Amino acid sequence: GEDVEQSLFLSVREGDSSVINCTYTDSSSTYLYWYKQEPGAGLQLLTYIFSNMDMKQDQRLTVLLNKKDKHLSLRIADTQTGDSAIYFCAEDGNTDKLIFGTGTRLQVFP
Amino acid sequence: DADVTQTPRNRITKTGKRIMLECSQTKGHDRMYWYRQDPGLGLRLIYYSFDVKDINKGEISDGYSVSRQAQAKFSLSLESAIPNQTALYFCATSSSHPDTQYFGPGTRLTVL
Repeated sequence: GEDVEQSLFLSVREGDSSVINCTYTDSSSTYLYWYKQEPGAGLQLLTYIFSNMDMKQDQRLTVLLNKKDKHLSLRIADTQTGDSAIYFCAEDGNTDKLIFGTGTRLQVFP
Repeated sequence: DADVTQTPRNRITKTGKRIMLECSQTKGHDRMYWYRQDPGLGLRLIYYSFDVKDINKGEISDGYSVSRQAQAKFSLSLESAIPNQTALYFCATSSSHPDTQYFGPGTRLTVL
């Protein structure tokens, strides 16, 4: 079955790097996604990676994909207080629906 | 103006009441989705629709129904609300692969 898992919490100091991890089970997924949810708001797409890539970089964000281990990570460089949010990974399972992880709450402290 | 809007934003109701949550989008997308969010459980798909004549059950459709009144409108109904339907509800839209979904601001529903 489809199951996407994330750790629930991550706390980092401002200026440090954050790494949020995700494991998924459906190896047929075409794309994998990272969404960000700020307090009181809906989810917003941060970035996505095509399944035949192993890395994608977008400014402070780096996505790493290990297809063999079905492991996806999101690295945020120079983490700022504005990065405090819940981060969701999602897979498409090669279908027209997304399966979301449980979300990781990132807290950035001064 | 927001691309995906939801009404109401907050609702408190009693057990047994019928509730309708509405979603409208101006993105011109064919695909629309309803999710519920519960702490520690992430987002779970309730129903989805790929066009006006296409309605599909998601992971947790029991106790819910939907109506796709037009390409831009997708409403979610709770025929007889129960307390474990207390949650944050999100509507989303998308065009096609990559399945980038655009989310509304959410409706916080409390069933007493």
